[in-house]
Amino acid sequence: GAVVSQHPSWVICKSGTSVKIECRSLDFQATTMFWYRQFPKQSLMLMATSNEGSKATYEQGVEKDKFLINHASLTLSTLTVTSAHPEDSSFYICSARDRRDRAYEQYFGPGTRLTVT
Amino acid sequence: GESVGLHLPTLSVQEGDNSIINCAYSNSASDYFIWYKQESGKGPQFIIDIRSNMDKRQGQRVTVLLNKTVKHLSLQIAATQPGDSAVYFCAESLPSEKLVFGKGMKLTVNP
Repeated sequence: GAVVSQHPSWVICKSGTSVKIECRSLDFQATTMFWYRQFPKQSLMLMATSNEGSKATYEQGVEKDKFLINHASLTLSTLTVTSAHPEDSSFYICSARDRRDRAYEQYFGPGTRLTVT
Repeated sequence: GESVGLHLPTLSVQEGDNSIINCAYSNSASDYFIWYKQESGKGPQFIIDIRSNMDKRQGQRVTVLLNKTVKHLSLQIAATQPGDSAVYFCAESLPSEKLVFGKGMKLTVNP
């Protein structure tokens, strides 16, 4: 149980275009989902927290107009990187919290590798 | 911002040896700690967790030790195997329930 999927697993796009990444909880309902970014040989950095049906909360330094997050259902959150630039190339990872579980448990997706050319 | 951590600390061990990975956490108010294993190109995989009211917790081949006095966390892996080769991250859960990840350590197990 507690499986989180991401789609696509990798994507290459041209500078200036937008890319949407999906995060799904496959066998549980997730009231809260988290989006992280990870650059090579670095740790995971939290970008934003999204709660179903409400606006996402962004971490300091993360542009909310550039990284659009939608959490329209209890099993799906999307991250759209708008007007992508090469510096947005990174590994994007989502996690989800099972609404039935103790508050701290987060289940991670397999990540999405974004390359902007 | 400044890029830090471009060189992951690395621990190399021989197969069969015990490994100890250390982590210093930042917030004395954190009350939940987790160790994750991340293989190349994959998401983090839960290994073991511990709450702040404990100082030791054991799993299968893994033990986590927590020293709140010095804000230190360690992961011990017994009889390390080649499949244990990965990057290991500690994470602390803040009172806001967000996870803050440590810098990570790359474990290489030599056969």
